[in-house]
Amino acid sequence: ESVLTQSPGTLSLSPGARATLSCRSSQSVNSNYLAWYQQKPGQAPRLLIFGASSRATGIPDRFSGSGSGTDFTLTISRLEPEDFAVYYCQHYGSSPGTFGQGTKVEIK
Amino acid sequence: EVQLVESGGGVVRPGGSLRLSCAAYGFSFDDYGMNWVRQAPGKGLEWVSGINWNGDSTGYADSVKGRFTISRDNAKNALYLQMNSLRVEDTALYYCVRAGDQSGYYFYYMDVWGNGTTVTVSS
Repeated sequence: ESVLTQSPGTLSLSPGARATLSCRSSQSVNSNYLAWYQQKPGQAPRLLIFGASSRATGIPDRFSGSGSGTDFTLTISRLEPEDFAVYYCQHYGSSPGTFGQGTKVEIK
Repeated sequence: EVQLVESGGGVVRPGGSLRLSCAAYGFSFDDYGMNWVRQAPGKGLEWVSGINWNGDSTGYADSVKGRFTISRDNAKNALYLQMNSLRVEDTALYYCVRAGDQSGYYFYYMDVWGNGTTVTVSS
């Protein structure tokens, strides 16, 4: 079972800034089966990215995913006020599913 | 509209049981694997259990194996989680979640989430 480690734990940035979030797996992720989710307070998570780099339906193109093997990145090109939230990565494609511990993006 | 609606949460004593239900709307339920994911207060996401489209393959987190049972009724577009021998550490918001791939397997990314139902285990 792979362990996903997200960094940093908290990212303090201003609106308009670029955010770079990291997700590292303890084992190689087959077929780039890596997803990213956004969760705002009091809301259910929302799928942003699957297959390491494919945007889910309705996700703005300021969100992008990259990486392969064990190292993956979620980039938000220019932070909008609604982007301040917690972000989780997930390794899928085998059971059990594994989530990272999350990165909180907060307003500086 | 594609929607998942959970019910059945509540307050229960340690050692007790609860059955969670999830009603699915707006999509062909029997085309998709389904999952339960939980989130303890102030904590991250934890996958709990999954079931493939026809119920013949299931998976469980080690933390719930032997205590929880996932099932589905495709005729009713419903997903269930029977939770027995509940522990204080099972206290969480439980989400019903659709696996995003139409292969029917559950171990995929998760593209549709319900709003969750709260389970509190306390003496």
